[in-house]
Amino acid sequence: AQSVAQPEDQVNVAEGNPLTVKCTYSVSGNPYLFWYVQYPNRGLQFLLKYITGDNLVKGSYGFEAEFNKSQTSFHLKKPSALVSDSALYFCAVRVPPGRRALTFGSGTRLQVQP
Amino acid sequence: AAGVIQSPRHLIKEKRETATLKCYPIPRHDTVYWYQQGPGQDPQFLISFYEKMQSDKGSIPDRFSAQQFSDYHSELNMSSLELGDSALYFCASSEGQGTTYEQYFGPGTRLTVT
Repeated sequence: AQSVAQPEDQVNVAEGNPLTVKCTYSVSGNPYLFWYVQYPNRGLQFLLKYITGDNLVKGSYGFEAEFNKSQTSFHLKKPSALVSDSALYFCAVRVPPGRRALTFGSGTRLQVQP
Repeated sequence: AAGVIQSPRHLIKEKRETATLKCYPIPRHDTVYWYQQGPGQDPQFLISFYEKMQSDKGSIPDRFSAQQFSDYHSELNMSSLELGDSALYFCASSEGQGTTYEQYFGPGTRLTVT
């Protein structure tokens, strides 16, 4: 079975500071990893993905994530946080060639303080 | 760019009633997924369709059924509603045979069962 863990329920960071939202995974095989963001009363918006290739992937709104196979992690990062980044962030995984559906982590609420 | 459309956005039903949720995928996307997100929970996969055939099944109750039509839109039919069915229901779409891999989510239908 595949699973994703987001160890922090909430992350607080001051505007302008770097932010990290942690994600670790447990799968059999090579994972496809994704980050989504959810604003209140909105759907999930795709941020970025790791499929293969470079371990550092860049996505929307200045976010990036680093795939670390040895640590089975896929942490989301941004060099300088904005108040508008405050939202709920979900890490998700799928393992080809099996189920295409995503397995989500429990979510991390990011709060950026002005 | 066109996004995934879901209707209705909000739905209030009483216990034991039925509900039908509709999803219109992004044009040229041939795969549709349904997820259920309970209050404070991560999205849970229910069922998916590829080219109008059920492609995968998750934790969908027997009281629920779904199908994908010739125009690729999908409907989730829910019968004998229970209080515990109150949740946000997301539809997502993707290119089944493409290389983008990510799923694009609609805004969700908030179902309240009273």
